[in-house]
Amino acid sequence: DQQVKQNSPSLSVQEGRISILNCDYTNSMFDYFLWYKKYPAEGPTFLISISSIKDKNEDGRFTVFLNKSAKHLSLHIVPSQPGDSAVYFCAGGTSYGKLTFGQGTILTVHP
Amino acid sequence: NAGVMQNPRHLVRRRGQEARLRCSPMKGHSHVYWYRQLPEEGLKFMVYLQKENIIDESGMPKERFSAEFPKEGPSILRIQQVVRGDSAAYFCASSPPSREKTGELFFGEGSRLTVL
Repeated sequence: DQQVKQNSPSLSVQEGRISILNCDYTNSMFDYFLWYKKYPAEGPTFLISISSIKDKNEDGRFTVFLNKSAKHLSLHIVPSQPGDSAVYFCAGGTSYGKLTFGQGTILTVHP
Repeated sequence: NAGVMQNPRHLVRRRGQEARLRCSPMKGHSHVYWYRQLPEEGLKFMVYLQKENIIDESGMPKERFSAEFPKEGPSILRIQQVVRGDSAAYFCASSPPSREKTGELFFGEGSRLTVL
């Protein structure tokens, strides 16, 4: 039962352009959603989160959008930089730190 | 302020042996979580512990796996009689009580278990 799905295994973007990473979920009970970024051989690093009662949260170059009716969230990175190349995981949570992660999307930003 | 420390970073075991993975949370963090990442998959929740208490172990396999977070010392994830399917990256994460309801976890670099 995959409650959080990232349907695009990979995404390739030119430096300076926008990166849009997508995530779908089925569990209506999630209280919040998060995006984590992961480099090879490292642990995930928290990027940005959004409460289920909001539809947008922005932090610098990163914006997360939540569409509850569609059970869809997306992460926008503008402008994309080569250092953003990593695996991005979306996750949903209902309480404390018990998160349900998607499978991840590999983002490659070309110079 | 040191991050979440996990050791060993890499562990090789033969089938039937025991694996012990250790995790020291960030200073001031009293909540510890263990997640497992199988090849080509996302991270899956295993267990949530506070000092001397297992709060939620709903993601732990019913047999061979156990976890503890003693009053003193690191949290330990123990896998008895390992099988090839246990080969994975095991990530520990911690959070302070104030971040408990936001899901913002601080992850260690992971322990990569290989079972021969």
